[in-house]
Amino acid sequence: AQSVTQLDSQVPVFEEAPVELRCNYSSSVSVYLFWYVQYPNQGLQLLLKYLSGSTLVKGINGFEAEFNKSQTSFHLRKPSVHISDTAEYFCAVREGSQGNLIFGKGTKLSVKP
Amino acid sequence: EPEVTQTPSHQVTQMGQEVILRCVPISNHLYFYWYRQILGQKVEFLVSFYNNEISEKSEIFDDQFSVERPDGSNFTLKIRSTKLEDSAMYFCASSYRESNSPLHFGNGTRLTVT
Repeated sequence: AQSVTQLDSQVPVFEEAPVELRCNYSSSVSVYLFWYVQYPNQGLQLLLKYLSGSTLVKGINGFEAEFNKSQTSFHLRKPSVHISDTAEYFCAVREGSQGNLIFGKGTKLSVKP
Repeated sequence: EPEVTQTPSHQVTQMGQEVILRCVPISNHLYFYWYRQILGQKVEFLVSFYNNEISEKSEIFDDQFSVERPDGSNFTLKIRSTKLEDSAMYFCASSYRESNSPLHFGNGTRLTVT
């Protein structure tokens, strides 16, 4: 069975600092990987996705993530964060043969001035 | 850009009452989903729907829950007799294809059962 682990429940950082939000998954088959962002009192918005091809994927708002098959990881990074990046970030995995997404518990990114 | 829309944004109901949460998926999407997020917890899959039938459901989706696509645009989640523990944010999502299509989520309906 597939699962998603987000090791950090909260990540506080200062504005303009780099950030990495960690995500590891477990699956016995090929997977598709996603990061979603949830701003306060809003729904889930797709940040980026890995389906195939280049292991480094770029998303909206300057975020990127790297798929590492050997480490079963899909960490999210941004070189310089803004106050407006304060939100909760969810990693999600979808097995090739399945339709539904399995989410991690989320990481709350808090950007301080 | 087309969006998934959900109504109402907030629903308050008494325990034991029936509620219907409504969603309008993106018009050319074929796969529909409901997820829920209990306050402070992870987003959990409830059910997926394709070709007018349930394609997959989780253990959360028991006999109290049902889904329906009553017309060509709406996708509803019904909870027959609400319990306190049903209080959560309910998200509707849709996708064009299965597997490699991203899910597009609505802004959610916050259900409060008192």
